[in-house]
Amino acid sequence: GNSVTQMEGPVTLSEEAFLTINCTYTATGYPSLFWYVQYPGEGLQLLLKATKADDKGSNKGFEATYRKETTSFHLEKGSVQVSDSAVYFCALIVNTGGFKTIFGAGTRLFVKA
Amino acid sequence: GAVVSQHPSRVICKSGTSVKIECRSLDFQATTMFWYRQFPKQSLMLMATSNEGSKATYEQGVEKDKFLINHASLTLSTLTVTSAHPEDSSFYICSARDTTELAKNIQYFGAGTRLSVL
Repeated sequence: GNSVTQMEGPVTLSEEAFLTINCTYTATGYPSLFWYVQYPGEGLQLLLKATKADDKGSNKGFEATYRKETTSFHLEKGSVQVSDSAVYFCALIVNTGGFKTIFGAGTRLFVKA
Repeated sequence: GAVVSQHPSRVICKSGTSVKIECRSLDFQATTMFWYRQFPKQSLMLMATSNEGSKATYEQGVEKDKFLINHASLTLSTLTVTSAHPEDSSFYICSARDTTELAKNIQYFGAGTRLSVL
């Protein structure tokens, strides 16, 4: 079946530290991969996406590369800010048999000043 | 970018009453909308897929008579929690797909509704 596994949080970093949040997936077919961010009390916002192998999604200093050989889509940022504190969700969409998004469990990030 | 408006953002109700949550796509048409439920510190659980002009498709384990979904227009879907009980307290989030951008596989999310049933 289709599933997304991401590293458990919370992740606590100091400002300007390097961030990696691991995400791996299992899927039938060829999924599109996404990272969403959720700030406290809000809905989800699309952070970045990649639709095929070796694509790199990037936005606001965040990057993730679609690695088909390792079925991974790890999120990285070179220098985090306090304002990056949020919950990050890795997700995939497979369009076989209908559109459905599968979310990972979410990883909470705390960035300290 | 595309905006999905969800209302109300927070609602407190008494046990046994019904609550309606609205989800509107403000600047695009949405043939398909989705309703999710999120428990504290957990991921989103898809409750149902709402299709304009037809019946919603509910996920396994979701009571369709408890969570009534209506998608009467291309810009509005509603979720009514009927005879709410404290265990229905949760964060409900809707999302919508732009009908003209289906190939992009993008969903736009509302800000969520926090329901508290006393």
